[in-house]
Amino acid sequence: DGGITQSPKYLFRKEGQNVTLSCEQNLNHDAMYWYRQDPGQGLRLIYYSQIVNDFQKGDIAEGYSVSREKKESFPLTVTSAQKNPTAFYLCASSIARGVSYEQYFGPGTRLTVT
Amino acid sequence: AQKVTQAQTEISVVEKEDVTLDCVYETRDTTYYLFWYKQPPSGELVFLIRRNSFDEQNEISGRYSWNFQKSTSSFNFTITASQVVDSAVYFCALSGDSGYALNFGKGTSLLVTP
Repeated sequence: DGGITQSPKYLFRKEGQNVTLSCEQNLNHDAMYWYRQDPGQGLRLIYYSQIVNDFQKGDIAEGYSVSREKKESFPLTVTSAQKNPTAFYLCASSIARGVSYEQYFGPGTRLTVT
Repeated sequence: AQKVTQAQTEISVVEKEDVTLDCVYETRDTTYYLFWYKQPPSGELVFLIRRNSFDEQNEISGRYSWNFQKSTSSFNFTITASQVVDSAVYFCALSGDSGYALNFGKGTSLLVTP
């Protein structure tokens, strides 16, 4: 089955710890994205990557980091510098770079930091 | 700048009623794309439709229909004969040549009761 997997679905961390969220896709898509969703809010873009070994900051990149060493994988690290890390994180991919392509989303990871 | 406004925060209807979800957008791009996504309680966003700015033809897919009007900068979504399974949060999104990813509205939460 082709799709996007995110693990784990629920993640709990203590304040001050870095945490890495996994995102894997087997759709052979070039572009991948990370969004953050807060209650009652739309999705906000954290980082995106159009090709391997290249990525750009989105609207709310502060306190986050990413890597894109493989086409299939785009992990997101939430660092201790992120002031309000508790949120629902969604990974997405699209077939190619460019704004005309629809994005397909994974099931999300709900991160709680206490 | 690009902006998407979904003025309806929550809508509640009884099964079999028709319901229209409003989406108003702002963009200075000549070429842009509009999307609708559905987010069921499980959290994963499901792609519903993409429309480009040069195609104002309305579209119907089963019980779903979309009305795109450039004159009013709107891309409204109608569900005919709603069902309980339609209960979800629906997001309208916009992308254009001046941006690099999707700009989401804050979503409309639809509750369909039996």
